[in-house]
Amino acid sequence: QSALTQPPSASGSPGQSVTISCTGTSSDVGGYIFVSWYQHHPGKAPKLIIYEVSKRPSGVPDRFSGSKSGNTASLTVSGLQTEDEADYYCSSYAGGNNFYVFGTGTKVTVL
Amino acid sequence: QVQLQESGPGLVKPSGTLSLTCAVSGGSISDNNWWTWVRQPPEKGLEWIGEIYHSGSTNYNPSLKSRVTISVDKSKNQFSLKLISVTAADTAVYYCARGGGYLFDDWGQGTLVTVSS
Repeated sequence: QSALTQPPSASGSPGQSVTISCTGTSSDVGGYIFVSWYQHHPGKAPKLIIYEVSKRPSGVPDRFSGSKSGNTASLTVSGLQTEDEADYYCSSYAGGNNFYVFGTGTKVTVL
Repeated sequence: QVQLQESGPGLVKPSGTLSLTCAVSGGSISDNNWWTWVRQPPEKGLEWIGEIYHSGSTNYNPSLKSRVTISVDKSKNQFSLKLISVTAADTAVYYCARGGGYLFDDWGQGTLVTVSS
């Protein structure tokens, strides 16, 4: 099972928006609603920010939003803030043999 | 929110066995969750290793299945990872996480394990 493909980096100025893609196959992203996104500040515990494609856990700002089209999921961070500078990973359920696959990760820089 | 803390040796010799434990606090390991291990090799992305339910039922990444065992100790409210026949490719930060509902909603801070002689 190959990792989901994400762009290595993305950037934006404070207040701007950035969108990160996560491309898989019909066996993972395209086949299930169980796509989630994690924010990871190096040295800290990863944090769940989106689950089931577009749902936000309690306490996650609505600046974070998710969507999916076909085999590609996307995370949009609107109104960028300096604390949004982090690595972001997508994840998808991939069925009963492979279970879960993560993305390659995207480093978001706030300029 | 559950707190998770990984512990174990930071250095393992090639061909040896990597053993880590994840202590769970703020919740019971017998709750309706899948207790999960994920790793991140240096400069690479995350990789799902496997998971265990408190009943002992397990699921493993097919690429690691022949070398991995995840177990649970309900008396200590913790679960463990054992990876045999390690090589340098197993050098990574290892995270434990609380899973269920096809997501991972609480994570430990991770522990670096280096495979080297």
